[in-house]
Amino acid sequence: DAKTTQPTSMDCAEGRAANLPCNHSTISGNEYVYWYRQIHSQGPQYIIHGLKNNETNEMASLIITEDRKSSTLILPHATLRDTAVYYCIVRVADWSNFGNEKLTFGTGTRLTIIP
Amino acid sequence: DAGVIQSPRHEVTEMGQEVTLRCKPISGHDYLFWYRQTMMRGLELLIYFNNNVPIDDSGMPEDRFSAKMPNASFSTLKIQPSEPRDSAVYFCASSLAVGVRFPQHFGDGTRLSIL
Repeated sequence: DAKTTQPTSMDCAEGRAANLPCNHSTISGNEYVYWYRQIHSQGPQYIIHGLKNNETNEMASLIITEDRKSSTLILPHATLRDTAVYYCIVRVADWSNFGNEKLTFGTGTRLTIIP
Repeated sequence: DAGVIQSPRHEVTEMGQEVTLRCKPISGHDYLFWYRQTMMRGLELLIYFNNNVPIDDSGMPEDRFSAKMPNASFSTLKIQPSEPRDSAVYFCASSLAVGVRFPQHFGDGTRLSIL
């Protein structure tokens, strides 16, 4: 799986949009971008994923650049409950590799929402 | 909808004792995963099941670890005998199907401390 690079930490004011960048310059054509977050003392929580088109759900938006070398997770109106470590993961869509189910989490971005 | 449910949330026991962790996956999910998280090693996949059958147990650290899934709604991870280096947070996750389009949903984990 392609390696990802994220800033170690970020702050965002409550009520503002939080924009979390992720670099995945070595991503290949069959790899998806996934985002999870982990709030203190909880399990990782799935947020969103995408291949090449921008995606939006009830939690966030995912913007993937045209060359797919980077992406941005957007939390449109951050609240204090969004304080967490956010992980950007690249997963290969390899239907022949049935056993490739391991999620590899890097160090992520520690997002702190400031009141 | 109920998420993945794990019990107990915290377990403290002495070295040499048997430890049993429990997991109830999301109803209808055919895949169940056991992970371990430590500061040093991050999140590690231990084993996963498909339709109650173990598919890949290559991440199980030693013979002291065993996992079972007697039915679609229950799984256990057992450590016998336990050692201090087994101290970690153990997560269970489930997914509807295998593949990059199907996210894994995590429980809140069991924090295990072996004295």
